[in-house]
Amino acid sequence: AQTVTQSQPEMSVQEAETVTLSCTYDTSESNYYLFWYKQPPSRQMILVIRQEAYKQQNATENRFSVNFQKAAKSFSLKISDSQLGDTAMYFCAFGESGNQFYFGTGTSLTVIP
Amino acid sequence: GAVVSQHPSWVICKSGTSVKIECRSLDFQATTMFWYRQFPKQSLMLMATSNEGSKATYEQGVEKDKFLINHASLTLSTLTVTSAHPEDSSFYICSAHGTATNEKLFFGSGTQLSVL
Repeated sequence: AQTVTQSQPEMSVQEAETVTLSCTYDTSESNYYLFWYKQPPSRQMILVIRQEAYKQQNATENRFSVNFQKAAKSFSLKISDSQLGDTAMYFCAFGESGNQFYFGTGTSLTVIP
Repeated sequence: GAVVSQHPSWVICKSGTSVKIECRSLDFQATTMFWYRQFPKQSLMLMATSNEGSKATYEQGVEKDKFLINHASLTLSTLTVTSAHPEDSSFYICSAHGTATNEKLFFGSGTQLSVL
C-alpha cells in the first residue's frame, strides 16, 4: 500500500519569508501524481500544486514550488513571500491514475505578521 | 478548476434520525467520488469510494449499512447516515474525479454533522 508521511505537524514562518514543508512517500508504482492541498480555517480543501511523476521539472505555481526527488521519494513544498492567507493545514497527497488518493497527516502552517 | 458542490454545510439532528448529504460536480462528469470523514486537526479518513452506476467500495471498519452511498449519476453522489448517533458527529467531505479533471481531485466544502 502507498503511504504518505509528513514529519512536521506544525510550522511557523514570518510574513514575507520562505518556508519549506516536507513530504515523503512510498510506492512501487512508476506512474503517479503528487499534490499539495491547503485547508484553511474554512475547511475547504484547495489544490495548491500538482506534479506528475514522469516529469523531471519541478512544478511551480506563483509563490508555490516543489522539490520533487523521485529516487528519494521526496516531495517538498516551498512557499515564498509568505502571506497571512497562507495560514492553513497543508496536506501532501499521492494519487494513482483514476484510482485511490492517499493523504499525509498534514502540517499546520502559521504565518506570523 | 472544477467545482464540487456539497450540501448541506452543516446539519444538526436528533439521535436515531437519518441525514443525507449531497455531493455534486457542477461542471464535469465525476466518474469517481470519494467520501471522507475528518476529525478536528486530523487528516482525511477515507470512508468509501463510489463509481457511477456501481456499488460503493467501503474502507475497512466503515459500516456500509450505516453509511449508505449512492452514485446514481455522473454528477451526483449522496451519503446517508442512517440512525445517527452522537459518535457519528464529524466533518464529512466529498471529492470528485473525472476524465476531464486531469488527474486532479476536487473537493466539496464539507458538511459538519452534529447529532444530539
